[in-house]
Amino acid sequence: AQKITQTQPGMFVQEKEAVTLDCTYDTSDQSYGLFWYKQPSSGEMIFLIYQGSYDEQNATEGRYSLNFQKARKSANLVISASQLGDSAMYFCAMREGYNKLIFGAGTRLAVHP
Amino acid sequence: DAGVTQSPTHLIKTRGQQVTLRCSPISGHKSVSWYQQVLGQGPQFIFQYYEKEERGRGNFPDRFSARQFPNYSSELNVNALLLGDSALYLCASSLDRVGAEAFFGQGTRLTVV
Repeated sequence: AQKITQTQPGMFVQEKEAVTLDCTYDTSDQSYGLFWYKQPSSGEMIFLIYQGSYDEQNATEGRYSLNFQKARKSANLVISASQLGDSAMYFCAMREGYNKLIFGAGTRLAVHP
Repeated sequence: DAGVTQSPTHLIKTRGQQVTLRCSPISGHKSVSWYQQVLGQGPQFIFQYYEKEERGRGNFPDRFSARQFPNYSSELNVNALLLGDSALYLCASSLDRVGAEAFFGQGTRLTVV
């Protein structure tokens, strides 16, 4: 069975600095997709970035980039130039089959001024 | 364009009661998935419906059921509520299968007392 592990329950970063949120995964599939979502206190899950297992380049979306290391089965999220509004829960997820996402336990990020 | 809308936003029920949660997907999206997020954990997959048919089911008891209507909106029903059913219930909408195009609603926070 597929599994997502996020080992950092909480992280904090100073405003304008970069931060890396860790994610490791376990799967026997050759083709898979990895996602990062942001969940503010309002509850909505906001899609941030996607990496396909066959994508040769690391995905980037604005201030978000995904450090994909396939051999190590890691998909870390890097947020550059942190902003106060980045304070939230962050979830790493993997698509299983065609129809569901498997989520990690999440990392709570606090951005300090 | 409206995003994924869920109703109600908050709900308090008594043990043993039944509850119905509603979700309207983004216009043009034919797939709706339901997730349960217990406090302090990542979301867990409950159901996916596509073109009004159940396409996937997570490890949840038969007390949980769902359906999708011709307009692609969906309802999640939970019977014989238990205290452990208290959670944030999230609905995700996508064009077809769950993937990079999945968009979540703000959730329904259910409290069972």
